[in-house]
Amino acid sequence: DVKVTQSSRYLVKRTGEKVFLECVQDMDHENMFWYRQDPGLGLRLIYFSYDVKMKEKGDIPEGYSVSREKKERFSLILESASTNQTSMYLCASSLGRGLAGELFFGEGSRLTVL
Amino acid sequence: QKEVEQNSGPLSVPEGAIASLNCTYSDRGSQSFFWYRQYSGKSPELIMFIYSNGDKEDGRFTAQLNKASQYVSLLIRDSQPSDSATYLCAVNSLGTALIFGKGTTLSVSS
Repeated sequence: DVKVTQSSRYLVKRTGEKVFLECVQDMDHENMFWYRQDPGLGLRLIYFSYDVKMKEKGDIPEGYSVSREKKERFSLILESASTNQTSMYLCASSLGRGLAGELFFGEGSRLTVL
Repeated sequence: QKEVEQNSGPLSVPEGAIASLNCTYSDRGSQSFFWYRQYSGKSPELIMFIYSNGDKEDGRFTAQLNKASQYVSLLIRDSQPSDSATYLCAVNSLGTALIFGKGTTLSVSS
């Protein structure tokens, strides 16, 4: 089975802190994604990557950055956390060419910024 | 801005009935269409995907695609209380990441 593992299920941080959310997949997928999910707003794409060291902005990249140094690992960084970044963050990966294909999701990281 | 629209619901059906979930999309170039199910507090999981016009059946689930109308639907036959969840429609074009609708909440009463 494909496994996408997010390092932290629940985090509580203070405004202004730097936050790292880690994601690892074990199926040699080329594509990796970070979404956030908020009530009434659905899943929104923050960043994605289709290759090592490659990254593309999604719909809401402001306030976030990403790192993909190895194929299996995709990190989301909040340089200076703010309360409006309180959310559920979902990492996903896919194998398909051209970014198509089934997404496999991690269990999510629920971040609260105080 | 490419958009995927779904009615938020809740859609309430009795056990054993057919639940019909609908989705429209704005990008005519969309090529792949997915339905995900998400239980409360859990991550989305894939139910079905469809690429071609017409129907695709998998057990109690049928996905329907009409590219001319930019419309995709999911039918759930013999609905069970365990089908109660939020159903997410997702669409993509070649070279773009999946775009999700906001989801439809389905409630199946026993």
